[in-house]
Amino acid sequence: SQQGEEDPQALSIQEGENATMNCSYKTSINNLQWYRQNSGRGLVHLILIRSNEREKHSGRLRVTLDTSKKSSSLLITASRAADTASYFCATDPNDYKLSFGAGTTVTVRA
Amino acid sequence: GAGVSQSPSNKVTEKGKDVELRCDPISGHTALYWYRQSLGQGLEFLIYFQGNSAPDKSGLPSDRFSAERTGGSVSTLTIQRTQQEDSAVYLCASSFEAGRTYEQYFGPGTRLTVT
Repeated sequence: SQQGEEDPQALSIQEGENATMNCSYKTSINNLQWYRQNSGRGLVHLILIRSNEREKHSGRLRVTLDTSKKSSSLLITASRAADTASYFCATDPNDYKLSFGAGTTVTVRA
Repeated sequence: GAGVSQSPSNKVTEKGKDVELRCDPISGHTALYWYRQSLGQGLEFLIYFQGNSAPDKSGLPSDRFSAERTGGSVSTLTIQRTQQEDSAVYLCASSFEAGRTYEQYFGPGTRLTVT
């Protein structure tokens, strides 16, 4: 069963704007990861945030984690057409078995 | 170095036939995972291998599904007597070790269509 749930399901923004998506999960976690998927194929790891971290940055990505609310957010700043993809959060309630949400589909319009 | 590779990239088969999907993990990665992704859905965990330990098969949806990993490297996922509901993208991933701090590296997937 899926542990994580992304919100919104779909997001359409203009190039240069920021995109924010959220992930909620049900059980306690050790870490939370965000992945990107282009064209329904392989996933690319974006960032991992540990349960004792609150915020993490990687380039134009900013991830927050609130374990008290069991939620995380992914912010993409200054979006580009190449950011068009589906974004998934993944949690590890059982150490190695990542549990993925259904994803947020982001479309960046030129 | 080379990433995770999977073959074939696409497979169309008739209902009732058996199929084999192959995964070559990143060299040196001891953990290997199989996931299934149906259209518009998230990833569903199928099976996990770690070194020489017994695999975790808890995600396999039926006994028609099986997987093996030979020599701690290449893995094959076999689906017997395929059904239309088996149509999905099958993704393989590997990581340096199993564990909470290691990211998983994904292959491009095999798109299986059962007609």
